[in-house]
This record gives sequence, C-alpha cells and structure tokens, in this order.
Amino acid sequence: GEDVEQSLFLSVREGDSSVINCTYTDSSSTYLYWYKQEPGAGLQLLTYIFSNMDMKQDQRLTVLLNKKDKHLSLRIADTQTGDSAIYFCAESTDGNKLVFGAGTILRVKS
Amino acid sequence: DAGVIQSPRHEVTEMGQEVTLRCKLISGHNSLFWYRQTMMRGLELLIYFNNNVPIDDSGMPEDRFSAKMPNASFSTLKIQPSEPRDSAVYFCASSSGTGVIGSGEQFFGPGTRLTVL
Repeated sequence: GEDVEQSLFLSVREGDSSVINCTYTDSSSTYLYWYKQEPGAGLQLLTYIFSNMDMKQDQRLTVLLNKKDKHLSLRIADTQTGDSAIYFCAESTDGNKLVFGAGTILRVKS
Repeated sequence: DAGVIQSPRHEVTEMGQEVTLRCKLISGHNSLFWYRQTMMRGLELLIYFNNNVPIDDSGMPEDRFSAKMPNASFSTLKIQPSEPRDSAVYFCASSSGTGVIGSGEQFFGPGTRLTVL
C-alpha cells in the first residue's frame, strides 16, 4: 500500500533555514501536501504541489519535488520560534483520500 | 466562520462504555473526514463522507466503530464498547471539495482526546 516516510526530528537556530524531507511510495500520487500541527491543535494546510511541478514557492516556504526519486522537501527560510510545530507530509491520488507521514517535529532554538 | 467544531475536547471513560464523538462541519463544506492520531500509528484516516454518503470506511478498525452523518453539517463517531487501545486523539476535518486541489485542503477541528481506562 501507500507509504509516506519522514525524519522524526529537526532542530535549527532562529534565523536559519529548515529543510524537512519526505519520501513516498505511490507513483500515482497526484497531489502532495505539507500540513502543520501546533500543540493541542488540529492540522493546518501550509502548501501543496502537483506532481507535474518541480518547485513551488510561497513567501518563506519552498517546496521541491523530485518525482523520479519520490522525494518531497519543505524549506522554511528565516525560521522563527513560531515555526516550532509538527510538519506532516501527505500524498493523494484523487485529492480526497490523503495518506500522511508520521510527522517531523521542528524545534527552533532562539 | 467558527471553523470545524468538535465535542467533547476531552473524554475519559471506562472500558466497555459507549463513547460518542461529535463534529460540526464548516458551513458549505460537503466532505467530512474522521482521523485518529496516536504516537504509535501516527495519523490514520478512519472514514470519509461526501455529500453525507460514506465513501471509504476501510480505515475503521472494527465493528465497534461506527460513523454517521445525520445531516449535511454534523457527524458522529461512536465506539461501542470502548477499549483501552482506542485511546487516541480523534480529529474530524471538512473540505469544500472545490478549488484546484479538491478535497485536499482539509480544515481540521481541534480534536477530541479520548482516554479509555
């Protein structure tokens, strides 16, 4: 079945860039997403990319997709303490049923 | 809009008891998703509805779990009888199904933390 894998933990200093990586197995994935979960809250969509794109930039966020290697990354420029959260990668073939990774805990040190 | 509303926020119950979790969708949304989050298994999709109709319930663990949408804006997830291994945070999410990514933009509620003793 589909599988999405992420590294468990990332620690960065405030002002540095953060790069969170994700790999997926489903070659028919059409949509790929990054969601953010803050403590005690539900997930919130940060950004998404279609499988026919290589890159998408949205303010401090840059998503890179290597479809051949089924590798997705999220880069956060000028990381702030408010960016501390859990980041989930997710994929979908139909835009309805999403398969989420286990999440990467991002810790930003001031 | 108030966003997706879930109740209760916390539930502590004893093994064998019935538990009902509630969710109110964002007005105008027509897709509803129930998820379960645990440390061991991460975030799992249990079931999703589109226009009040269950589309995929393959994630529902077993017959003890049931979900309904009695109307377009409200859903319940029931566990009967509950077991300690059901302890988790249960999220519901809704989506409008419109826009370039369809139901991929899901709006999550704050979750219900269930503890079964």
